[in-house]
Amino acid sequence: ETGVTQSPTHLIKTRGQQVTLRCSSQSGHNTVSWYQQALGQGPQFIFQYYREEENGRGNFPPRFSGLQFPNYSSELNVNALELDDSALYLCASSSQRGLQETQYFGPGTRLLVL
Amino acid sequence: SQQGEEDPQALSIQEGENATMNCSYKTSINNLQWYRQNSGRGLVHLILIRSNEREKHSGRLRVTLDTSKKSSSLLITASRAADTASYFCAPAYYGNNRLAFGKGNQVVVIP
Repeated sequence: ETGVTQSPTHLIKTRGQQVTLRCSSQSGHNTVSWYQQALGQGPQFIFQYYREEENGRGNFPPRFSGLQFPNYSSELNVNALELDDSALYLCASSSQRGLQETQYFGPGTRLLVL
Repeated sequence: SQQGEEDPQALSIQEGENATMNCSYKTSINNLQWYRQNSGRGLVHLILIRSNEREKHSGRLRVTLDTSKKSSSLLITASRAADTASYFCAPAYYGNNRLAFGKGNQVVVIP
């Protein structure tokens, strides 16, 4: 167990809807990163948050947005859902900004868009 | 985009045998991290090896890093059925804050 939790575990939405995914980081960690993993692929970086500010973003459209709270937990919001958004969404927390230290991943949220 | 490339993509071995996976990357790295994933669940961190390190061990796992060849390898010794999983290498490139995952190695250990 990494101490990183995500909710919900599974979610079914329809195209055009909006979704919010949540992540609680490991105790003592101030950095959270979000990844999208399509079936049969490796995880793709969405963005990273460090002390409540975005610290880098991958090649995802603006309808993917995020927040980090003072307790370092984080949310991923996706608007105007598309069928291709169906994937496993993973968050990872670490004790330092960037990638200096190990990234500890949560169990993921599996999103299905119909 | 820069990412790790695992080789071979799929590996099937008998229980008790060793499994070796290789990973190549493109430019200078700060470190390289190996992860395991069971059946589409979360990623489990295995080993982080820094650019100034050449070898690290953790239990039955051994990771090597050759920065001159821009490659890393993961060795699982005396494999068990429970080692059946997908294994990913993820280079952490300098000046970057994202892990660059490849498609992963699918390893099946036959009891």
